Amino acid sequence: GENVEQHPSTLSVQEGDSAVIKCTYSDSASNYFPWYKQELGKRPQLIIDIRSNVGEKKDQRIAVTLNKTAKHFSLHITETQPEDSAVYFCAASKEGGSQGNLIFGKGTKLSVKP
Amino acid sequence: GAVVSQHPSWVICKSGTSVKIECRSLDFQATTMFWYRQFPKQSLMLMATSNEGSKATYEQGVEKDKFLINHASLTLSTLTVTSAHPEDSSFYICRGVGTEAFFGQGTRLTVV
Repeated sequence: GENVEQHPSTLSVQEGDSAVIKCTYSDSASNYFPWYKQELGKRPQLIIDIRSNVGEKKDQRIAVTLNKTAKHFSLHITETQPEDSAVYFCAASKEGGSQGNLIFGKGTKLSVKP
Repeated sequence: GAVVSQHPSWVICKSGTSVKIECRSLDFQATTMFWYRQFPKQSLMLMATSNEGSKATYEQGVEKDKFLINHASLTLSTLTVTSAHPEDSSFYICRGVGTEAFFGQGTRLTVV
């Protein structure tokens, strides 16, 4: 089955710097790749997603890139702010896209220091 | 707007008792409900998938007799942890899927 690897497990940056989190997936049939932000004890919040027919997507300070050949995708956060501090999860799905089961990475704890 | 409402948000129970967690889909119909478990500092692991009116499909290693899932309607799915033990303490979260998909708020279960 699908396996999603996520790196790094922790990431500390200074406010204003950029943060990059990388994920790889194993199943070439996966076609939907969302990123979630989870604050302690709360539900994951979808922050951006990308489908396999697109190589890059941007939403203000957040961008996601997808390399289908290499089977990896990355989250880029620019001009980080303290409120960006949270755990970020990548995920992959092949059945039903956003309506299907998601296989999650292990998460990255991002700390943005003021 | 559409949302999945999960209750309770936290619960403490004694070892050996049962706990029921509810997920209600509001302003949309969840034909499928995914149930996840998340241990501290770990990822969300799928426990089971339920479709309205059908028996749930459990992931390998998840005891179906211990984690009872009911999805009797398009707006309500429940997870009952039976004979809970301290090792069942975890964060349980549902994800309702219809035309869109939404996570519930999660339930922090502590078994003492």
